[in-house]
Amino acid sequence: DTGVSQDPRHKITKRGQNVTFRCDPISEHNRLYWYRQTLGQGPEFLTYFQNEAQLEKSRLLSDRFSAERPKGSFSTLEIQRTEQGDSAMYLCASSFPSGQETQYFGPGTRLLVL
Amino acid sequence: DAKTTQPPSMDCAEGRAANLPCNHSTISGNEYVYWYRQIHSQGPQYIIHGLKNNETNEMASLIITEDRKSSTLILPHATLRDTAVYYCIVRVEGGADGLTFGKGTHLIIQP
Repeated sequence: DTGVSQDPRHKITKRGQNVTFRCDPISEHNRLYWYRQTLGQGPEFLTYFQNEAQLEKSRLLSDRFSAERPKGSFSTLEIQRTEQGDSAMYLCASSFPSGQETQYFGPGTRLLVL
Repeated sequence: DAKTTQPPSMDCAEGRAANLPCNHSTISGNEYVYWYRQIHSQGPQYIIHGLKNNETNEMASLIITEDRKSSTLILPHATLRDTAVYYCIVRVEGGADGLTFGKGTHLIIQP
């Protein structure tokens, strides 16, 4: 257990529905990252926050994807109008900024879109 | 960040040392080598990182060649719980962007 928690761990939804995932980072970490991982591939970076500021979002897969971190603590990732291709593991990681920062990953949320 | 090349899979007998190679021939002077692993259905786990000197911690050793174009992760006494996908990543010092994962090496520890 790295101290990064994600909720829910599993989500099944129907195509066209909206889903929201939550990530709680390690408390003293002010950087938070979201990744997506499809079967047989390594994690793919989506976006990251430093405190409440979203500093990179160009990697978000489409405008159906959005992320927030309103108070610089927990974060949410929302997918609107889900498609079957959105089925994947969604991973969150956090880090404390230093010269050689190490990212600590949560257990992930596995999404299945029917 | 520089690109890395790893073998897709490797086997190792339980109790033996597992040596996982990584090629990063285009690495820049300010890029570190990081290793993460991912056990099935879990999030990636940090193992070790280094710049140019060999590094050791409680999990593994990292050997980086003098020209820094390749490295080897060594698990000294592999156990069945070390079966996982191992990712070698190079990253700029202090980089705040996301990590760039390849497909990694699937290490299978045989009993």
